[in-house]
Amino acid sequence: AQKITQTQPGMFVQEKEAVTLDCTYDTSDPSYGLFWYKQPSSGEMIFLIYQGSYDQQNATEGRYSLNFQKARKSANLVISASQLGDSAMYFCAMREGSDWSGGSNYKLTFGKGTLLTVNP
Amino acid sequence: DTAVSQTPKYLVTQMGNDKSIKCEQNLGHDTMYWYKQDSKKFLKIMFSYNNKELIINETVPNRFSPKSPDKAHLNLHINSLELGDSAVYFCASSQGRGVSNQPQHFGDGTRLSIL
Repeated sequence: AQKITQTQPGMFVQEKEAVTLDCTYDTSDPSYGLFWYKQPSSGEMIFLIYQGSYDQQNATEGRYSLNFQKARKSANLVISASQLGDSAMYFCAMREGSDWSGGSNYKLTFGKGTLLTVNP
Repeated sequence: DTAVSQTPKYLVTQMGNDKSIKCEQNLGHDTMYWYKQDSKKFLKIMFSYNNKELIINETVPNRFSPKSPDKAHLNLHINSLELGDSAVYFCASSQGRGVSNQPQHFGDGTRLSIL
């Protein structure tokens, strides 16, 4: 089973509108972290936002917010007021285990990504 | 003041050759990684080092050999390159133990093309 599922290969949004990118995850570990990264066409990987499994509130960073629904194992990224520069590939990733779990805790497991296109 | 820098950015070579990709981070992190991104943009961990110690080796062919001379550097050497090795290789770093919410910071990637 996939650990991270992003069901939307591509999404389109009009400039200035909000868009939600879906991410569901699968883990039996009670301690985990969820990350979103942006990869523009230039290729670099840019960290956007983090949500920990024990965090009580949804994470927010500027125009990015994370709709974290723990019981449903979903961590959707919401981008408000989309801009043309938001057009990029977006990856959801998970880090399982605590810092004392050993080596397996360190890696990020990525979803297949969602290509977001912002139309003017 | 680049945080994670990897060289070269592009690498074009022939099948059977041996090549290296270098990575350096100036963030003071103690953990470094190599990821491979295939033609479908799927990213997968290859290796991870924590304080120069190998902690993750994800069923990567032994033609790939990482080397960490110190905790700020993690190089990747690839022997006998094959067509299937064509991909973008990303180096990343993070602060390891004690701070689980720290993101991994990625380099700009090395695009390896095998002719």
